[in-house]
Amino acid sequence: DVKVTQSSRYLVKRTGEKVFLECVQDMDHENMFWYRQDPGLGLRLIYFSYDVKMKEKGDIPEGYSVSREKKERFSLILESASTNQTSMYLCASSFGSGPRIFGSGTQLSVL
Amino acid sequence: GQQVMQIPQYQHVQEGEDFTTYCNSSTTLSNIQWYKQRPGGHPVFLIQLVKSGEVKKQKRLTFQFGEAKKNSSLHITATQTTDVGTYFCAATTSGTYKYIFGTGTRLKVLA
Repeated sequence: DVKVTQSSRYLVKRTGEKVFLECVQDMDHENMFWYRQDPGLGLRLIYFSYDVKMKEKGDIPEGYSVSREKKERFSLILESASTNQTSMYLCASSFGSGPRIFGSGTQLSVL
Repeated sequence: GQQVMQIPQYQHVQEGEDFTTYCNSSTTLSNIQWYKQRPGGHPVFLIQLVKSGEVKKQKRLTFQFGEAKKNSSLHITATQTTDVGTYFCAATTSGTYKYIFGTGTRLKVLA
């Protein structure tokens, strides 16, 4: 069964901490995406990557960075977590256009 | 920037009634995707529409892409309790991986 796996389902961090969210896909997909989902706002694209070491900013990249050292892994980094980064974070991957296959999500709470 | 408006925000129907959600854009779209997210779950890809005027069916679900490629709809015939969830459209203009998600329509089906 093909999968996008996110390392944590729930995460609680303190303001100012550096936070790593990990995502791994087993489908050899070229494209990987990070979204955040907030009530009433739908899904908003933070970053996407179309190849190893390649990345493009999405609509809300401020306060985030990403790393893609291997094809199967795409990490989202919050350099200094803030309370307004409390959200559901969704990773996705695909061969072609669009996100397609989503992981189960990480609910991040920043206190 | 590009926006995709999705209506209605909520819809409650009696089991057996039909349901339709609409996505509208002020700009011409390259293609549009539809996703379903069950309560507590992650978005699951349903379909992609690419051609002007395209109509696709999946059992009780009918998807349409407008002739001008500025709007799309998802219609469910004779809803069932298993149809409960939030339906999102996600659209892109040509040559971009940046899919913009609509804010979703939350469907509740009353037995």
